[in-house]
Amino acid sequence: SAVISQKPSRDICQRGTSLTIQCQVDSQVTMMFWYRQQPGQSLTLIATANQGSEATYESGFVIDKFPISRPNLTFSTLTVSNMSPEDSSIYLCSAGIVNTGELFFGEGSRLTVL
Amino acid sequence: AQRVTQPEKLLSVFKGAPVELKCNYSYSGSPELFWYVQYSRQRLQLLLRHISRESIKGFTADLNKGETSFHLKKPFAQEEDSAMYYCALFDNYGQNFVFGPGTRLSVLP
Repeated sequence: SAVISQKPSRDICQRGTSLTIQCQVDSQVTMMFWYRQQPGQSLTLIATANQGSEATYESGFVIDKFPISRPNLTFSTLTVSNMSPEDSSIYLCSAGIVNTGELFFGEGSRLTVL
Repeated sequence: AQRVTQPEKLLSVFKGAPVELKCNYSYSGSPELFWYVQYSRQRLQLLLRHISRESIKGFTADLNKGETSFHLKKPFAQEEDSAMYYCALFDNYGQNFVFGPGTRLSVLP
């Protein structure tokens, strides 16, 4: 299993600013993902965080808006850039090992953009 | 394209009644399917996976390739089963997970 720590757990941000969310896993994992969860809605995959290379973004998400880093197997960051109220959401970090197919989730970072 | 659907956004049942949360998928290949659950104020966690063929907290799910379904069932619902349930598919090609929209289960006393 894997325990995932995310911070900040919540933040209130001003329009036009950027915020970086950190995700730390307590064991080595092969897969790390970033999701967005709107209140009462499902999970939307933002991107797959690739170790040592550029993240793989899903349709509708771009690197300029959501730059992602993954310098090693256990750590990743997601930055939400130039925020607008539409970016208000819960951002979830998840990680897993490809052979098990199981994903573990962080508690999420709730962002509110004013 | 890989897709997971859950037709019910909200499902309410009385305690002790049977419950079935529906999940259908589209996938060109041999699917790996999962059910994830999110209880109030807790993080999302794995409930069960189809390859394990196990019963967790009284829940079971059978993969039906003919109907492309992976419905979650429990014969007697409990109040503590109230939660958000997500059906998910592991995409071997994209090496990522595709989640359904989720079904909120409410078990009434």
